[in-house]
Amino acid sequence: KNQVEQSPQSLIILEGKNCTLQCNYTVSPFSNLRWYKQDTGRGPVSLTIMTFSENTKSNRRYTATLDADTKQSSLHITASQLSDSASYICVVSLDSNYQLIWGAGTKLIIKP
Amino acid sequence: GAGVSQSPSNKVTEKGKDVELRCDPISGHTALYWYRQRLGQGLEFLIYFQGNSAPDKSGLPSDRFSAERTGESVSTLTIQRTQQEDSAVYLCASSLAASQPQHFGDGTRLSIL
Repeated sequence: KNQVEQSPQSLIILEGKNCTLQCNYTVSPFSNLRWYKQDTGRGPVSLTIMTFSENTKSNRRYTATLDADTKQSSLHITASQLSDSASYICVVSLDSNYQLIWGAGTKLIIKP
Repeated sequence: GAGVSQSPSNKVTEKGKDVELRCDPISGHTALYWYRQRLGQGLEFLIYFQGNSAPDKSGLPSDRFSAERTGESVSTLTIQRTQQEDSAVYLCASSLAASQPQHFGDGTRLSIL
C-alpha cells in the first residue's frame, strides 16, 4: 500500500532554534518527493520538489534531504522564525506525477 | 489576483441539500485538482483535470460527487444530497503541468448541519 508517514506529529521549539522533520514513504513507482507548508486556514504552499537523483535541496532556511534507498526524507529548518509555525507536509508523487500521496503533516509551533 | 481562487470560502448547509463549489485556477494552468481535507488529516485526492477532461476520477467518494471544468479554466465540484460526513475543507489546486508544483487556493470550508 502506498503510504507516507511523518514524524513527529507535532513539535514545539523556541524562536531561533533549528529543527528537523522526518518523512518515511512506501510508494511505488516513485517519481518525486515534495514538501509543502500549510498555514492554518490556508492552502498548502510548495517548498521544494526532489527527484530520485537529488540528495539535498535548499530553499532559503529550508533544507530537504532525500535517501531513495531507505525511502526517507527530512526537512531541516534553520534559525526558526515565528512565521514558520505551520503544518509541514511530505508528499510523494507516483510515476503519473499527478497522483500524489500526502502525509498527515507535522504541526510545528515556534514560541517566542 | 494571480493565485488560485475558490468560492465560497465558507458554506454551511443542511443535510440533504446540494452544494456547488467553484475554483478559478491560475491562468494558463492546464492541470487542475480537487482535494478534500478533514480536520487534522492529510489531503485526500478527489479528481484531476488535464484541460477539460478528467482522466482520473478515482478519488470521488461516491456518485453524489461530480466535477466539471470548462474552457480550460473554471471548475466546479458538486455534492448532491449532502451528508454530515461531507463536512471538510475542499481544496483546489492548479499547475502548469502534472510534474510541476501545485498552487493551492485557500479552500472552501463546508459544514453540513
